[in-house]
Amino acid sequence: DAGVIQSPRHEVTEMGQEVTLRCKLISGHNSLFWYRQTMMRGLELLIYFNNNVPIDDSGMPEDRFSAKMPNASFSTLKIQPSEPRDSAVYFCASSLRAGGSREKLFFGSGTQLSVL
Amino acid sequence: AQKVTQAQTEISVVEKEDVTLDCVYETRDTTYYLFWYKQPPSGELVFLIRRNSFDEQNEISGRYSWNFQKSTSSFNFTITASQVVDSAVYFCALSEANTGNQVYFGTGTSLTVIP
Repeated sequence: DAGVIQSPRHEVTEMGQEVTLRCKLISGHNSLFWYRQTMMRGLELLIYFNNNVPIDDSGMPEDRFSAKMPNASFSTLKIQPSEPRDSAVYFCASSLRAGGSREKLFFGSGTQLSVL
Repeated sequence: AQKVTQAQTEISVVEKEDVTLDCVYETRDTTYYLFWYKQPPSGELVFLIRRNSFDEQNEISGRYSWNFQKSTSSFNFTITASQVVDSAVYFCALSEANTGNQVYFGTGTSLTVIP
């Protein structure tokens, strides 16, 4: 069974450009998490969804960030306009909601974002 | 407040040495879950173990063992006879039954095993 699939693996863009990160969940999973990892702050939870519904977006840095789940298996994280301080590795993770907080997370390989 | 604290930022050991990674957590829930994840140089975080708050039995899996102590709110991870392939960043994490699926990660401990 395929794992969580993220694209692109690497993204280099210029300040002010729009960036869209993509994530495909594991089939059957219905919870989706977006994390950002930096040296300074470690792993930060940006937003998570249960059954396509955003549950907690308090970690989204600012209005420049938005996340959607147009269907049960796919999500996007958009940054517009991007800034150099957004440079980080962005991870998507999925889990089974039925198990609630006991469920382990399955992570994608991450997207390394560099904003010049 | 930090819910999961991993005080060791970086550890280096020589191959075949034992090493313990510390994790201290904070929660008011009576039902919660503790996790360890491994992030090798390739970048993807991989699940290692989960314990629930009602089960304080220590667990051993090959060279890996975990010591869960509620009295000290700790969930430490020991690697016995370390190998170069154990070099990675290790994250301890906590989820609480009353906060849905949110998972709180520690800042990670970077382990380097020197051949």
